[in-house]
Amino acid sequence: EDQVTQSPEALRLQEGESSSLNCSYTVSGLRGLFWYRQDPGKGPEFLFTLYSAGEEKEKERLKATLTKKESFLHITAPKPEDSATYLCAVQAREAAGNKLTFGGGTRVLVKP
Amino acid sequence: DTEVTQTPKHLVMGMTNKKSLKCEQHMGHRAMYWYKQKAKKPPELMFVYSYEKLSINESVPSRFSPECPNSSLLNLHLHALQPEDSALYLCASNRDRGFYGYTFGSGTRLTVV
Repeated sequence: EDQVTQSPEALRLQEGESSSLNCSYTVSGLRGLFWYRQDPGKGPEFLFTLYSAGEEKEKERLKATLTKKESFLHITAPKPEDSATYLCAVQAREAAGNKLTFGGGTRVLVKP
Repeated sequence: DTEVTQTPKHLVMGMTNKKSLKCEQHMGHRAMYWYKQKAKKPPELMFVYSYEKLSINESVPSRFSPECPNSSLLNLHLHALQPEDSALYLCASNRDRGFYGYTFGSGTRLTVV
């Protein structure tokens, strides 16, 4: 069974204090890994897809990396508007219906 | 149009009511999904429609009844729900063929009283 574990569960940062979120996964043949951002009461907003180990993607203050067992989301010099829950999800190569398996998320709070 | 639109945004219903949630997309996506999300938990898959046919039902109770009238619309009919069914219901879509990410709607916040 595919599994995704995110750590830490919650992260409190001062504005400008860089940090990293971890997503560990086990999947029977990875088709891809997704990162989403979710604000309270809203649907997840797509950030990145990563296809293979060694791949990196960047968007503003966010950078996602992928190895064969885990992915990291690095937040550089965060601002209060980066406060959100960050979700990681994997899609197996043989996933019926292109099903995504989500991790529990990391709740990030950035204080001014 | 790059959005998935869900209506209503909020819904309060009694345990004997019948209501429906609606989801619409005009991106030409041929796979559509219903997810349920409880507070501080990840989304859980309920149903998958592929080319307007139900392809996955994750053992969801029959008080939830999905319907896909055409390639742009997805409904979730609700009947005789329980208070524990209160949650954020999310609709998503993707192209179905190959590897593509989901686009999620903003969700319907459902409260069962």
